[in-house]
Amino acid sequence: KQEVTQIPAALSVPEGENLVLNCSFTDSAIYNLQWFRQDPGKGLTSLLLIQSSQREQTSGRLNASLDKSSGRSTLYIAASQPGDSATYLCAVRTSYAGKSTFGDGTTLTVKP
Amino acid sequence: DTEVTQTPKHLVMGMTNKKSLKCEQHMGHRAMYWYKQKAKKPPELMFVYSYEKLSINESVPSRFSPECPNSSLLNLHLHALQPEDSALYLCASSQDLQGGNEQFFGPGTRLTVL
Repeated sequence: KQEVTQIPAALSVPEGENLVLNCSFTDSAIYNLQWFRQDPGKGLTSLLLIQSSQREQTSGRLNASLDKSSGRSTLYIAASQPGDSATYLCAVRTSYAGKSTFGDGTTLTVKP
Repeated sequence: DTEVTQTPKHLVMGMTNKKSLKCEQHMGHRAMYWYKQKAKKPPELMFVYSYEKLSINESVPSRFSPECPNSSLLNLHLHALQPEDSALYLCASSQDLQGGNEQFFGPGTRLTVL
């Protein structure tokens, strides 16, 4: 059974810092890994999708990497802003049938 | 357009009521999903539809009844719910069930069962 862990559970940084969020998974036989952002009481916003054959994806200030062999993904946020404050979730697709396993998320607070 | 819409935004219902949640997407996606999310927890998969057929039911109680009337619409019919069913209900869609496809989520319906 796939297990997904996100560390740290919470992170507080001053504005302007570069930061890294971690996602680890136990079964390396994955189809893809997706990073989401969720604001309180809202839906999930897709940030980046990394296919199993890819090593990284970039979008603006965000960069996500994937190392299947070690069961790890990182989300790098450059020059953090207060608007980046949210919970960040990673989801690993290991089933053709449509199931994804989510981590518990990292709650990020960026202080002005 | 990568939008998934959900109505209503909020719903309060008694344990004897019958209500429905609605989800819609116009991206031509053929896979649609219902998730339940409790506070400070990740989403939990409830149902998956593929080409309007139920593909996955994650042992969800029968008081939740999904329906996919066409490729753009997904409903969740609610009946005789319990207070512990109060949660954020999220709908998502993807191109199909191919493993590489991205999931897009709607804003959710906040359900409170009294």
